[in-house]
Amino acid sequence: DAKTTQPPSMDCAEGRAANLPCNHSTISGNEYVYWYRQIHSQGPQYIIHGLKNNETNEMASLIITEDRKSSTLILPHATLRDTAVYYCIVGGSNYQLIWGAGTKLIIKP
Amino acid sequence: EAQVTQNPRYLITVTGKKLTVTCSQNMNHEYMSWYRQDPGLGLRQIYYSMNVEVTDKGDVPEGYKVSRKEKRNFPLILESPSPNQTSLYFCASSFVGRSSYEQYFGPGTRLTVT
Repeated sequence: DAKTTQPPSMDCAEGRAANLPCNHSTISGNEYVYWYRQIHSQGPQYIIHGLKNNETNEMASLIITEDRKSSTLILPHATLRDTAVYYCIVGGSNYQLIWGAGTKLIIKP
Repeated sequence: EAQVTQNPRYLITVTGKKLTVTCSQNMNHEYMSWYRQDPGLGLRQIYYSMNVEVTDKGDVPEGYKVSRKEKRNFPLILESPSPNQTSLYFCASSFVGRSSYEQYFGPGTRLTVT
């Protein structure tokens, strides 16, 4: 079973920040949180990951709560091309990614 | 350009006819993996390989074989395909170590078995 919980779908207006939540209450101390996205049946694309501290790269920011039981992926200025399914993943054993159902993010003009 | 390639991208075949889906990466990654994606079930791991000549089963290995004779290639073999193997297949690769969860995925192979 997936170790994360995400809302099944979200909408966001183009140009606004998209905030995607994820619960991972059973995360262990050395497990990272990873975010991927999949645009319409294409191969999933790595976005960002973090352990404790907030992280930012050219695609997004990742905010992890102090107790590490939840996190939020932030797309600062969403565009129509950001419409995708976003997956929050806690690393499994043997480098296996445990995929849940993800959040379908729809960016509206 | 760093990439993972898969061939073929689309394949329609009949039950029992052996087929191979190729996967190749040009990033010198040690780790490679095969996933299948079905509606409502998400991505599930079929097999993975930590390095040349090292392979292991994922969550749904039944009906599949793999080999890792070269670092860059990781073919998926269906010796006797059945309709329940109709799915979207993805190959992925990464370095081994802390960054192993930063996986690069291929474009996918859509397989239909009739």
